[in-house]
Amino acid sequence: DARVTQTPRHKVTEMGQEVTMRCQPILGHNTVFWYRQTMMQGLELLAYFRNRAPLDDSGMPKDRFSAEMPDATLATLKIQPSEPRDSAVYFCASGLTGTGDQPQHFGDGTRLSIL
Amino acid sequence: KNQVEQSPQSLIILEGKNCTLQCNYTVSPFSNLRWYKQDTGRGPVSLTIMTFSENTKSNGRYTATLDADTKQSSLHITASQLSDSASYICVVSAGYSSASKIIFGSGTRLSIRP
Repeated sequence: DARVTQTPRHKVTEMGQEVTMRCQPILGHNTVFWYRQTMMQGLELLAYFRNRAPLDDSGMPKDRFSAEMPDATLATLKIQPSEPRDSAVYFCASGLTGTGDQPQHFGDGTRLSIL
Repeated sequence: KNQVEQSPQSLIILEGKNCTLQCNYTVSPFSNLRWYKQDTGRGPVSLTIMTFSENTKSNGRYTATLDADTKQSSLHITASQLSDSASYICVVSAGYSSASKIIFGSGTRLSIRP
C-alpha cells in the first residue's frame, strides 16, 4: 500500500533552534496538508497545497512557521525559532482532491518536543 | 460559524459490547461527513464517508448514520474488539467542490477493556 512518509518521527530540541519536518506524499496525489495535533486542540490545519502551490496557510503563525513544496515528492514545514508551545505532533496528509470527497491519507506524524 | 462537536470526549467499554459515538455539526452548505479512526501513535485513517442522500453505511462492524435534518451523525461499533481502542474523529466538508472547507471534530477517545 502506498503511504505518506514523514521524517523524523521524533524530534527533541531546545528553544530557539530551527526545526525542519519533511513529508513525502503519495505519488499522484496533488494536494498536501500540514496539521498540528495537541491534546487540548485536536487537529488544526496549518497549511494546504494543491499542485505544489500554497492555497491556505491562514492557520500558521507566519512569523516563525514556513511551509514549502520544492518538488512534487517533498513537502517541508519549518519552525524558526522554535518555542516550547510548538510542542505537538505534526501530521502531513495527501489526497487526490482537497474537497473531502476523497479521503486524506495521513503519515504517522512527527512528535516534536521543544525544551 | 462552522463547527463540529463530538460526544462523549472519552468512553470505556468492555470487549464484546456495542457503543455509539455522536457527532453534531453546524456546517453550511453541507457537502459530506467522514469518520476517521486514529490509533495511538499513528495518523488518522478514513473509515467511511456519508453524503447528503445517505442515511446509513456499514464497514464491517462499524455503522455510520447521518440525519441531515438534525445535522447529526453517529458511529456504531458492534461487538467491540481490543483493536477498536482508538480516537474516532468526525470530519465535515462544507462548501462547493471548488472551494470546500474541511472542519475536524476534536474526537472521541475509545478504550476497550478485556
